[in-house]
Amino acid sequence: DIVMTQSPDSLAVSLGERATINCKSSQSVLYTSNNKNYLTWYQQKPGQPPKLLIYWASTRESGVPDRFSGSGSGTDFTLTISSLQAEDVAVYYCQQYYSTPFLFGQGTKLEIK
Amino acid sequence: QVQLQESGPGLVKPSETLSLTCTVSGGSISSIYWSWIRQPPGKGLEWIGYIYYSGSTNYNPSLKSRVTISVDTSKNQFSLKLSSVTAADTAVYYCARIAYYGSETYWYFDLWGRGTLVTVSS
Repeated sequence: DIVMTQSPDSLAVSLGERATINCKSSQSVLYTSNNKNYLTWYQQKPGQPPKLLIYWASTRESGVPDRFSGSGSGTDFTLTISSLQAEDVAVYYCQQYYSTPFLFGQGTKLEIK
Repeated sequence: QVQLQESGPGLVKPSETLSLTCTVSGGSISSIYWSWIRQPPGKGLEWIGYIYYSGSTNYNPSLKSRVTISVDTSKNQFSLKLSSVTAADTAVYYCARIAYYGSETYWYFDLWGRGTLVTVSS
């Protein structure tokens, strides 16, 4: 199984400041035949289902604000929110879809400082 | 606009079978993979398994002995059965669509239902 580990578990950032969440996979999720990283990021607000933010590690889903960006390759990935807005308070999850079982990171809770 | 809606009992007794249905509206269930994911209260997400409209399945090994996912294309629905439940199976259960583009499946979850809370208690 490819285990996903996020850091930190929680994060408090001031409005307008940058927020960075890390995700590490226990083995590479880079599929060399197409040079794509099988890694997604989801945002989950209280009482709501997860919402797809980023796929292929760095491709923003349609409608997602451009302050959200994903980076990384292989086993190390980062979700960055360039300028935190109040509506970004949520739990963020990474997930690998390179192989089954599809596993999620434990989540990072993002709050306003 | 495709939407997913979970339905089923909110309370199940220990040792019994949990049964949920996901209804796909606004689009066809055909030629797409569909999945179940759960989230215990206050905890993270756990993938349960997926099914193709043709009926082929893939389950999380941690639940495989107790899980059955099935599809009914005539009703545009797919279903989850989890047997021998315990309190540890108390969770919000989500159905989700696995992303695709044309005939290619991309394996991440691009559309989720709102989820339904199932409590296991006597």
